[in-house]
Amino acid sequence: EVQLVESGGGLVQPGRSLRLSCAASGFTFGDYAMHWVRQAPGKGLEWVSGITWNSGSIAYADSMKGRFTISRDNAKNSLYLQMNSLRDEDTALYYCAKDIGLAEFRYLDYWGQGTLVTVSS
Amino acid sequence: QSALTQPASVSGSPGQSITISCSGTSSDVGAYNYVSWYQQHPGKAPKLMIHDASNRPSGVSNRFSGSKSGNTASLTISGLQAEDEADYYCNSYTSSSTYVFGTGTKVTVL
Repeated sequence: EVQLVESGGGLVQPGRSLRLSCAASGFTFGDYAMHWVRQAPGKGLEWVSGITWNSGSIAYADSMKGRFTISRDNAKNSLYLQMNSLRDEDTALYYCAKDIGLAEFRYLDYWGQGTLVTVSS
Repeated sequence: QSALTQPASVSGSPGQSITISCSGTSSDVGAYNYVSWYQQHPGKAPKLMIHDASNRPSGVSNRFSGSKSGNTASLTISGLQAEDEADYYCNSYTSSSTYVFGTGTKVTVL
């Protein structure tokens, strides 16, 4: 059974940093692209970032470029999101999601339950 | 990258059919068949309903179908049931090698 378990969320002050993690199991992690998707309270889904199987291709939504860094460790079956210079508008539930693609993005077939990030002073 | 445009809400009576549109551009929906649809019930993670514009994953009811024409994709739910009441989001791959989601549609079963 595919499982994606996010962690690392919490309350953080504006301007500070936070690192999210996603532990994957039930599939060969290194064979698939992975993503972070967020959802602000009461709002829609927003794609944050994606990374191909070997980290050869990495992409970010425009509003996250320069502040967020996605990475993965295939040996540890883990996906990460380093978030710097956090803003109030980054407050959201952050989902880890598995892509069906290897070296390209096609669609998201499995999602975690999310970890909540709250940015507030 | 602007979000794909979906109607904010669509409603129908049990047994009826409804269609949700997803309008994009020639740089996303119109450029690739990598359009997918997700169902999200309150407090739950999204669930894949349609991929590659019109393909249904195993386990998803055949009451759900997808199509695409030009820059617009559509999700049709036939034989509407109470359990279909949820939020629905389209998603597309883009020419910038990113993903973009739709604005989301709340489906209400009357």
